Amino acid sequence: QQPVQSPQAVILREGEDAVINCSSSKALYSVHWYRQKHGEAPVFLMILLKGGEQKGHEKISASFNEKKQQSSLYLTASQLSYSGTYFCGTEMNYGGSQGNLIFGKGTKLSVKP
Amino acid sequence: GAVVSQHPSRVICKSGTSVKIECRSLDFQATTMFWYRQFPKQSLMLMATSNEGSKATYEQGVEKDKFLINHASLTLSTLTVTSAHPEDSSFYICSAVKGGSVTEAFFGQGTRLTVV
Repeated sequence: QQPVQSPQAVILREGEDAVINCSSSKALYSVHWYRQKHGEAPVFLMILLKGGEQKGHEKISASFNEKKQQSSLYLTASQLSYSGTYFCGTEMNYGGSQGNLIFGKGTKLSVKP
Repeated sequence: GAVVSQHPSRVICKSGTSVKIECRSLDFQATTMFWYRQFPKQSLMLMATSNEGSKATYEQGVEKDKFLINHASLTLSTLTVTSAHPEDSSFYICSAVKGGSVTEAFFGQGTRLTVV
């Protein structure tokens, strides 16, 4: 079951904030966030495990609400390097292969000077 | 971080020929690797789960006879696109999972396949 990401695209000015949401209709074990630049492989940002944790790395943070089966990625004071397509990958809450990620359709983020 | 190497990065082949793509985990052992396919401006779609020493598990709609997967060792999985056609042209990406309590997936660089 593919998670739903919103918005599909967002355009920001440098220094502005953005929130990208990822929701699933199924119970989730974990949510993974990746950023992909055009023509390149996805780059790992962070993992959030069930337990409602919140993580952050510099000006990018994320939260995971397991009751709502939702995760949000927060980008504050955006930089030009933040441009790219952001994917959430979800891992279902079952005894299957770990790392078996189902990705959302992606959110294209463009940061302008 | 762990390194996953995918080769080749780009390949152009004639319709009807077969192409092999390699995915190697360079500094860790990966009992499980995953193969994804990505069309332009679309998401990564899981094709199959590759398990070392056993048959791959294919997602619904993926032809196992067309996309042959071999996971011969703990550091190497291969995807062979057999009898390739132009509609097989796509970006193929592998990922490998490093064992532990947190399953972080490391991606290869991707292979852009063009079938002419």
